[in-house]
Amino acid sequence: KQEVTQIPAALSVPEGENLVLNCSFTDSAIYNLQWFRQDPGKGLTSLLLIQSSQREQTSGRLNASLDKSSGRSTLYIAASQPGDSATYLCAVRPGGGSEKLVFGKGTKLTVNP
Amino acid sequence: ETGVTQSPTHLIKTRGQQVTLRCSSQSGHNTVSWYQQALGQGPQFIFQYYREEENGRGNFPPRFSGLQFPNYSSELNVNALELDDSALYLCASSTGQGRGGYTFGSGTRLTVV
Repeated sequence: KQEVTQIPAALSVPEGENLVLNCSFTDSAIYNLQWFRQDPGKGLTSLLLIQSSQREQTSGRLNASLDKSSGRSTLYIAASQPGDSATYLCAVRPGGGSEKLVFGKGTKLTVNP
Repeated sequence: ETGVTQSPTHLIKTRGQQVTLRCSSQSGHNTVSWYQQALGQGPQFIFQYYREEENGRGNFPPRFSGLQFPNYSSELNVNALELDDSALYLCASSTGQGRGGYTFGSGTRLTVV
């Protein structure tokens, strides 16, 4: 059974700091991995999608890496801003024809001005 | 390009009642998935519909049921509501059964009293 863990559960940083959010998964046989952002009480906004054959994806100040063999992904946020404050969720789509996404519980990020 | 639209945004129901939640998929997407997100948790997969047929289901009882229509919009029905059904219900759409990642709606907040 695929399980996804995100560490830390919460993170508070000053504005301008570079930071890394971690995601680990128990079964390396994944189809792809997706990072989402969720503002309080709202839906999910897709940030980055990494296919199983890829090592990283970049969008603006965000960079996500994938090490499938070790079951890890990291989301790097450069020059953090107060507007980056949100919960960041990691989700894997298991391989073997599974249609579902398996989510971690998220990392709640607070960027202080 | 329109995104995923869910209705209603908020709903209060009494234990034992039935509820129907609606989702319009993103233009060009033929796959719809439903997720339940309890407070402080990651979303949990309920089921997925592809071309009007259910093709994957999570660990939810039969009182959770769904439909997908020819225009790829979808409904989630929950019968005999229980207090633990209180959660944010998220709809996600994709093409080709999720190969290109998933786009989520803003969710429906269901409160069962």
